[in-house]
Amino acid sequence: SYEMSQPPSVSVSPGQTASITCSGHKLEDKFVSWYQKKPGQSPVMVIYQDRGRPSGIPDRFSGSNSGNTATLTISGTQPMDEADYYCQAWDSNTVTVVFGGGTKLTVL
Amino acid sequence: QVHLVQSGAEVKKPGASVKVSCTASGYTFTNYEINWVRQATGQGLEWMGRLNPNSGNKAYEQKFQGRVTMTRNTSTNTAYLELRSLTSHDTAVYFCARFFRPVTSPNYLYFGMDVWGQGTTVTVSS
Repeated sequence: SYEMSQPPSVSVSPGQTASITCSGHKLEDKFVSWYQKKPGQSPVMVIYQDRGRPSGIPDRFSGSNSGNTATLTISGTQPMDEADYYCQAWDSNTVTVVFGGGTKLTVL
Repeated sequence: QVHLVQSGAEVKKPGASVKVSCTASGYTFTNYEINWVRQATGQGLEWMGRLNPNSGNKAYEQKFQGRVTMTRNTSTNTAYLELRSLTSHDTAVYFCARFFRPVTSPNYLYFGMDVWGQGTTVTVSS
């Protein structure tokens, strides 16, 4: 089965840029979505199709995907951005949805 | 507004079954596939399978094959997840989530899930 790996944690100071990576074999051949998950809340899609931003998502959230790595970038990170972030892709070989293990973003 | 509203929390004994509902509003239910995703405490998101509300076709993650059933009622715009032979490892929050693009959209499977239910806590304990 296809696997995607994320760093368990990333720390960033308020106002700085946070980068969260998601790695998988030839990941650039897939489309990656990203979700923000806060405790006690439902996940929120912040990026779709590698770099698309759903309506209502601030433009400080951006995405890219090249080679074996997709990256979620949060520019001018705010305390409210502190959350777990998950990458997700569709694996056409196993016809399944795959999630990365998640990254805890700490803003301090 | 587009919403997915799930049924309330459940407490089950080991070996029992649970059925969680997910009622859609604000869009045409049969146009978008529904996914089921769960999250155990302290763990990541885990995809369980998906259901096409129009055709009734479903696909399950292999891990849950034989123990899970996804169904729908198009007259009430509701999708259901049934999980059988519960163990403590099934204690989790269960979410339903809609694919971002309709089933008529090319490659709709590639675009992620834009609308999520509020989650249903299932606790399995003796």
